[in-house]
Amino acid sequence: DTGVSQDPRHKITKRGQNVTFRCDPISEHNRLYWYRQTLGQGPEFLTYFQNEAQLEKSRLLSDRFSAERPKGSFSTLEIQRTEQGDSAMYLCASSSTPSGANVLTFGAGSRLTVL
Amino acid sequence: AQSVTQPDIHITVSEGASLELRCNYSYGATPYLFWYVQSPGQGLQLLLKYFSGDTLVQGIKGFEAEFKRSQSSFNLRKPSVHWSDAAEYFCAVGRTGANNLFFGTGTRLTVIP
Repeated sequence: DTGVSQDPRHKITKRGQNVTFRCDPISEHNRLYWYRQTLGQGPEFLTYFQNEAQLEKSRLLSDRFSAERPKGSFSTLEIQRTEQGDSAMYLCASSSTPSGANVLTFGAGSRLTVL
Repeated sequence: AQSVTQPDIHITVSEGASLELRCNYSYGATPYLFWYVQSPGQGLQLLLKYFSGDTLVQGIKGFEAEFKRSQSSFNLRKPSVHWSDAAEYFCAVGRTGANNLFFGTGTRLTVIP
């Protein structure tokens, strides 16, 4: 078990371009989360999957943001038509708790810089 | 609504000194409480968690935290800080069946020789 992996670790893009981040959770974890962290702030919840089902997506920041987990394993987070305000660290986490408290294991994050 | 307040943005302590990081939460029921640590360029690592039972919980790296319901607090402590403890510390709150955790804005710890 190598923990939660995120790729790429850093992405620099120009405004208006699309970007995609990938997250590989811990293999036995059925829950996967995406968070965004801006400078000086704590992580902010974006969306959540249980297996392949996206059960919560109302916190996605706009319709430019979308996430998938097609086979219940890895997940992708796509941002279309990026804006400078999208610059942030995008964190992925996974957990296996079927009920009760969620103990999240985080990846190292993907840092996005929009020029 | 759930919320977490970490009133100290930045704390500086001398190596070997004791440490207390404050966390206050707002939640209508018994929360699940967490402390995470984030080193530069890294993800968040779980230090400790409180679900129920003994209000003093022990974590990794010599950290402990105490849940005080009357004060809605979950402060993190360490009796003797090491230079490697310099990092950002986040308090988070969750609840049964919730899909996510709510995080505070973090406290940055600087350790001086």
